[in-house]
Amino acid sequence: QQQVKQSPQSLIVQKGGISIINCAYENTAFDYFPWYQQFPGKGPALLIAIRPDVSEKKEGRFTISFNKSAKQFSLHIMDSQPGDSATYFCAASRAETSGSRLTFGEGTQLTVNP
Amino acid sequence: EPEVTQTPSHQVTQMGQEVILRCVPISNHLYFYWYRQILGQKVEFLVSFYNNEISEKSEIFDDQFSVERPDGSNFTLKIRSTKLEDSAMYFCASSEWASGNYEQYFGPGTRLTVT
Repeated sequence: QQQVKQSPQSLIVQKGGISIINCAYENTAFDYFPWYQQFPGKGPALLIAIRPDVSEKKEGRFTISFNKSAKQFSLHIMDSQPGDSATYFCAASRAETSGSRLTFGEGTQLTVNP
Repeated sequence: EPEVTQTPSHQVTQMGQEVILRCVPISNHLYFYWYRQILGQKVEFLVSFYNNEISEKSEIFDDQFSVERPDGSNFTLKIRSTKLEDSAMYFCASSEWASGNYEQYFGPGTRLTVT
């Protein structure tokens, strides 16, 4: 019940296209959902996060869509650029539990072709 | 911009040896974490630490592991007797967890290679 399932495992898009990565969770106690971007040999970098009180959050070219009833959330990268090529991880935690651990999805390796 | 730092960036050790991985969390953060990532796999939680004690640990964090905040800035992970399967990237993270700031910020990691 602690799992977060992420798809696809890998994704190839053309420059300027839209990249969409999906995650699903089981634990209804999760109420904080961040996305992390990781470049090879680097630590995960926080990209954007959402709480369940909103269905969408947008920051620049990055948008999280959240469907509480389906227990799913997704990351949309608009106007994808070669510099966006990285591994993306969704995660979930319990914001109401102080210091709660992050449970990560399996990751999506995004390649944006020029 | 404040960031989490980790040393060393790469540690090679022989099986059975003790290693200590070091982290300096962001200065005003209250919660500290260790995660690990085996090559090509997802990031896995090991332990969280608050107010000088472990607040949560995973099933991975067995008796071979320990954490400590030896002074006001460092946060360490010790593996007493390393195994081949301990080879992974180890990430330290910290969080303010106050006023609704739940974000965890990760360091660049220490690559541990056990031979």
